[in-house]
Amino acid sequence: GENVEQHPSTLSVQEGDSAVIKCTYSDSASNYFPWYKQELGKRPQLIIDIRSNVGEKKDQRIAVTLNKTAKHFSLHITETQPEDSAVYFCAASMPNTGNQFYFGTGTSLTVIP
Amino acid sequence: GAVVSQHPSWVICKSGTSVKIECRSLDFQATTMFWYRQFPKQSLMLMATSNEGSKATYEQGVEKDKFLINHASLTLSTLTVTSAHPEDSSFYICSAAPGAGYTFGSGTRLTVV
Repeated sequence: GENVEQHPSTLSVQEGDSAVIKCTYSDSASNYFPWYKQELGKRPQLIIDIRSNVGEKKDQRIAVTLNKTAKHFSLHITETQPEDSAVYFCAASMPNTGNQFYFGTGTSLTVIP
Repeated sequence: GAVVSQHPSWVICKSGTSVKIECRSLDFQATTMFWYRQFPKQSLMLMATSNEGSKATYEQGVEKDKFLINHASLTLSTLTVTSAHPEDSSFYICSAAPGAGYTFGSGTRLTVV
């Protein structure tokens, strides 16, 4: 099956700075890459996603980039705010599997006021 | 949007007893339901995939006789943890397909004492 690796496991940034989280995947058949934000004890919330036919996608302060050749994708959060503090997971999914995701190991982001 | 209702949100049970967790798709038909387990400070690990009307497919290392999955209708899937032990204590969460927005249930915190 797919293997998704995520780095770093923890990340602390000053409020207003940018945060970058990186993921790699192993199966070139994967074609959908969502990013989730999870607060303690709650369900993951989709914050942005990208499909394999796109190299970059942006939504306000959040952007995701995808390099299919290298099989890695990254989450970029600019102008970070304390409420951005949470655990972020990347995931990969293959065609025709619906929502069968393989998740990265997570990044605990702390934004220091 | 697509909503998946998961119950209970938390449960405490005695070692050796069984616990049933339900996931219902409220406004769409979930042909496939994915069940994940998440230990504290760890990622979501796919346990099994269930398709309506057929047997679930379990990931390697997941005991199918211990984690019974039933997907008898297009709107309901259940996970029963049989003969629960303290090491089964975890956060269990379902995800339904096809659900617009990649729909997760709210999760169930299981504590076995």
